[in-house]
Amino acid sequence: DAGVIQSPRHEVTEMGQEVTLRCKPISGHNSLFWYRQTMMRGLELLIYFNNNVPIDDSGMPEDRFSAKMPNASFSTLKIQPSEPRDSAVYFCASSLAYIETQYFGPGTRLLVL
Amino acid sequence: DQQVKQNSPSLSVQEGRISILNCDYTNSMFDYFLWYKKYPAEGPTFLISISSIKDKNEDGRFTVFLNKSAKHLSLHIVPSQPGDSAVYFCAASVYGGSQGNLIFGKGTKLSVKP
Repeated sequence: DAGVIQSPRHEVTEMGQEVTLRCKPISGHNSLFWYRQTMMRGLELLIYFNNNVPIDDSGMPEDRFSAKMPNASFSTLKIQPSEPRDSAVYFCASSLAYIETQYFGPGTRLLVL
Repeated sequence: DQQVKQNSPSLSVQEGRISILNCDYTNSMFDYFLWYKKYPAEGPTFLISISSIKDKNEDGRFTVFLNKSAKHLSLHIVPSQPGDSAVYFCAASVYGGSQGNLIFGKGTKLSVKP
């Protein structure tokens, strides 16, 4: 069975550009999580959805970040405009329910120049 | 302010010996703890978990110990194998709480030498 799928795997962009990260959760999973990993802050939750509805976005760093989940099989995390400090690895994870084990995708490594 | 702390960024162990990875937490509301393992260029994968009603949980070579009074948990790997070399993350949550999010430590990089 396919795990969580993320695209692109690597993204290099210039400051000020819009970046869109994509995630396809495991089929049948009802909860989806976006995380960011940096050297300074480690792995931190940005936002999570339950049944396609955003439940907690308190981890979203600024208004430049937005996330959507238009259906059960697709989510996006958008950064507009991007800044060099947004450079990080962004992970998407999904679970059967929000209290169940989370399965992570391989991550998107973002570099903003 | 970090609620979950892994104070050792790295650990090196000889193959066949025991690896002990430590984790401390500050939030007394946490009642569910997990360990994730991460290889380079991959996402973290779930390894083992423990509920606060237990003080020990075992799965093969992996055992997690929880000391609630000290707000401390540890992961023991016996015997350690070179394939165990990875970054190990400790995570905590309030199980079944209104927030499903996990709070992660910064990780400990384990190197198992042949």
